[in-house]
Amino acid sequence: DADVTQTPRNRITKTGKRIMLECSQTKGHDRMYWYRQDPGLGLRLIYYSFDVKDINKGEISDGYSVSRQAQAKFSLSLESAIPNQTALYFCATSDPRGGYSRNEQFFGPGTRLTVL
Amino acid sequence: DQQVKQNSPSLSVQEGRISILNCDYTNSMFDYFLWYKKYPAEGPTFLISISSIKDKNEDGRFTVFLNKSAKHLSLHIVPSQPGDSAVYFCAATRYTGTASKLTFGTGTRLQVTL
Repeated sequence: DADVTQTPRNRITKTGKRIMLECSQTKGHDRMYWYRQDPGLGLRLIYYSFDVKDINKGEISDGYSVSRQAQAKFSLSLESAIPNQTALYFCATSDPRGGYSRNEQFFGPGTRLTVL
Repeated sequence: DQQVKQNSPSLSVQEGRISILNCDYTNSMFDYFLWYKKYPAEGPTFLISISSIKDKNEDGRFTVFLNKSAKHLSLHIVPSQPGDSAVYFCAATRYTGTASKLTFGTGTRLQVTL
């Protein structure tokens, strides 16, 4: 079944460490996104990519970087993790074909990251 | 600046009754709105959407209403079932032909009691 997968599902790390979260999808979608969810703040967009050669900053990109290795893979890196990056991270995909009615995004199961 | 707001963090409803979840937005450029449902330990899943050319969209037990003049939308669930207990996010976007960035609200936790 076509899906969006994220690894790892849970990660505990220490302040200052570099960490990478990975996302893979089998939906064949060109567009991929990284969000973080914090209590009381909903989901906020970190980075997004509309194709392999396209990377764009979202509303909260500071402290993060991304890599779009292939159509199916989109990785999020924290170069030097800090405690306020403790959050639930979601990857999502969408399909631009189909026009107006195809704005829905498909989410992975999330990665719970704790920075001590 | 929170462009999409869900002012009720939580809502409790009895099974069989109507659940009404509300969402307000401030950006008048938004023209497409979506509701997502999220269970613990899972990613959000798409539930229902509405474009700004409509004021109502219905899908089974779920109906979304849009009041553009008030910049307000609501999700009605009738009848509510225990399996509807989840966090509900509303989201908004502006369709430009290429972009599909979503702006999410803060979520409302719905609990349907027996």
